[in-house]
Amino acid sequence: DTAVSQTPKYLVTQMGNDKSIKCEQNLGHDTMYWYKQDSKKFLKIMFSYNNKELIINETVPNRFSPKSPDKAHLNLHINSLELGDSAVYFCASSQDLTTSGAKFFGPGTRLTVL
Amino acid sequence: DAKTTQPTSMDCAEGRAANLPCNHSTISGNEYVYWYRQIHSQGPQYIIHGLKNNETNEMASLIITEDRKSSTLILPHATLRDTAVYYCIVRVAPSQGGSEKLVFGKGMKLTVNP
Repeated sequence: DTAVSQTPKYLVTQMGNDKSIKCEQNLGHDTMYWYKQDSKKFLKIMFSYNNKELIINETVPNRFSPKSPDKAHLNLHINSLELGDSAVYFCASSQDLTTSGAKFFGPGTRLTVL
Repeated sequence: DAKTTQPTSMDCAEGRAANLPCNHSTISGNEYVYWYRQIHSQGPQYIIHGLKNNETNEMASLIITEDRKSSTLILPHATLRDTAVYYCIVRVAPSQGGSEKLVFGKGMKLTVNP
């Protein structure tokens, strides 16, 4: 019973392509997030969504467009991929916007741009 | 920017208690201390969090000093599977209309040796 799942686990693509990463949580949480972990292992928040509405956009290029069809899903679409987009992308969810509870992370999607 | 400092790495013998220190001298009165860990190639895993009082769950104990400027995560009986990067995080309180976010630092690599 995976709480937060992501697909695909690995994604290798050429520069300039457009790709999507899907995320689903079965925890009944209201809030979902995308994090990026670069080659230096720093983990940084990119977006947060609450009940399908964008709450945080941490100055991410507009080539990155999150989409939340319902509160259990938060997909990440990336246009015109660049070499610097290579990283591991983690989806996460939490109960709601302000709770002090835990945040649950997915297994990650390793994106490699050639 | 991360508001915590941790040692870069630490070793522990299997079966012994692992005491992981963290300094957060600039913590505000309403900011929680969170601990997550990331086992190689996996998503971050929530361990425990606290505000003022010491906390214990099935995974670990969290000891917060009275002045709240530092804390210690205790894994009572470390196993090989506890080898991971451990992140001590001060949770940034949500801004008006915004959401909370976790700002991850570099973390500390704990190696549990047989």
